[in-house]
Amino acid sequence: QKEVEQDPGPLSVPEGAIVSLNCTYSNSAFQYFMWYRQYSRKGPELLMYTYSSGNKEDGRFTAQVDKSSKYISLFIRDSQPSDSATYLCAAYTGGFKTIFGAGTRLFVKA
Amino acid sequence: DVKVTQSSRYLVKRTGEKVFLECVQDMDHENMFWYRQDPGLGLRLIYFSYDVKMKEKGDIPEGYSVSREKKERFSLILESASTNQTSMYLCASRRTGGNQPQHFGDGTRLSIL
Repeated sequence: QKEVEQDPGPLSVPEGAIVSLNCTYSNSAFQYFMWYRQYSRKGPELLMYTYSSGNKEDGRFTAQVDKSSKYISLFIRDSQPSDSATYLCAAYTGGFKTIFGAGTRLFVKA
Repeated sequence: DVKVTQSSRYLVKRTGEKVFLECVQDMDHENMFWYRQDPGLGLRLIYFSYDVKMKEKGDIPEGYSVSREKKERFSLILESASTNQTSMYLCASRRTGGNQPQHFGDGTRLSIL
């Protein structure tokens, strides 16, 4: 079993839709959780970063962590074609190694 | 903003060649990482360095080595390139400490013929 599991998609939604991207993890020692956005032929870009459980909002993006169920979510409101990318969830304990999900490909259709 | 720069975006080499991939960061980060990214396999850690001249094996170090002579620069070396090392290679850096996420470069797409 991978430490961080993520559905690869692809996920296709119409412009303006609310997008929900999800990951599960197995290591209860994870304390820090991230979402990265990766456009085609580019490196991952840090999008959201949260510590422990709870919600964090930044513009149209909300990251949510539920440590009791080991569930990580990213919500995108009013999705735009420019949001089309691969989204990677990630987690780490505070040490050196970060564990990444395999990524979900998102397509937002105009 | 953190800037992680990888020396080449695209590289084509032949089997058996010794290949050098270079990465430079400008934020005085202590930790640096090399990953490869393959479809369906996600990001896999090859090596990381927690300080100058220090290195640790990641999950898939076979066939690779690294060098960190200066804090800002971390090099990945393919000792004798093989076709199964064709991949996207990503460098990342972060400051030491629990509350510090990794920041990535734009990657080097390496093809071994």
